[in-house]
Amino acid sequence: EAGVAQSPRYKIIEKRQSVAFWCNPISGHATLYWYQQILGQGPKLLIQFQNNGVVDDSQLPKDRFSAERLKGVDSTLKIQPAKLEDSAVYLCASSPPVVGGETQYFGPGTRLLVL
Amino acid sequence: AQSVTQPDIHITVSEGASLELRCNYSYGATPYLFWYVQSPGQGLQLLLKYFSGDTLVQGIKGFEAEFKRSQSSFNLRKPSVHWSDAAEYFCAVSPVYGNKLVFGAGTILRVKS
Repeated sequence: EAGVAQSPRYKIIEKRQSVAFWCNPISGHATLYWYQQILGQGPKLLIQFQNNGVVDDSQLPKDRFSAERLKGVDSTLKIQPAKLEDSAVYLCASSPPVVGGETQYFGPGTRLLVL
Repeated sequence: AQSVTQPDIHITVSEGASLELRCNYSYGATPYLFWYVQSPGQGLQLLLKYFSGDTLVQGIKGFEAEFKRSQSSFNLRKPSVHWSDAAEYFCAVSPVYGNKLVFGAGTILRVKS
C-alpha cells in the first residue's frame, strides 16, 4: 500500500515570496491533516479536512496560509507571503473517516527554509 | 487546553540497556494516547496507542507503554535498546471524539555502542 506522498521535499524561498506544498493521502482515507513542525518542537495541527470540508482550522494563520482539498483527495497548502518564522517542516497525514482515535499516517514532510 | 510534556529533551543510553521515555499530559478526561517515532528525514511512524482497557500497551519494534491515570502519565519503555532505535520520539494525545493530535516537544534518543 502506498503511503502519504508529499512534494517538494525541500524548498528555499525569500521572505515575502509565496510557496505551495502538495499532498496525496493514502487511497481511501477521508481525513487529511496538515501539521507544522518548527525545529525543536512537536508538530502542530494547522488544518484538518474530512473529505473536502474543513473540520478544524483554528490554528491556521489565515492572513497568509490557505489550504484546499478539491475532490476530497489530494491537497495543497499555500503560504503567501512567507515570513522568516514560517521556516519549518510541513507534514501531511491522513486517516480513515474520524470517529475518534484513528491512526494518522504521516508523509515524509516538506522542509521549508525562508531567508 | 490539552498539553503534553516530555521532560527530557535528550537521552543517551548504551546499546542493550533499558529505556524509559517520560510523558505527562493535561486533559479534562482520559484522552487517547500515542507514541510516534521520527527518524531523520522521515515522517512520523506510530509505535503504539492506548484507548482503554489494559493499561500496558504493546507496540511495534519491541516497545511498550504504561498508562497511569493517577499520574497522568504514559511512559514508553523498551527492555533492550538497539542502535537503530536512535531517533526522536513524540508523545501525543487526542480527544475521544475528533482526531486532533496534540504533540509533546519530543525526546531525542541517542544510542552509544
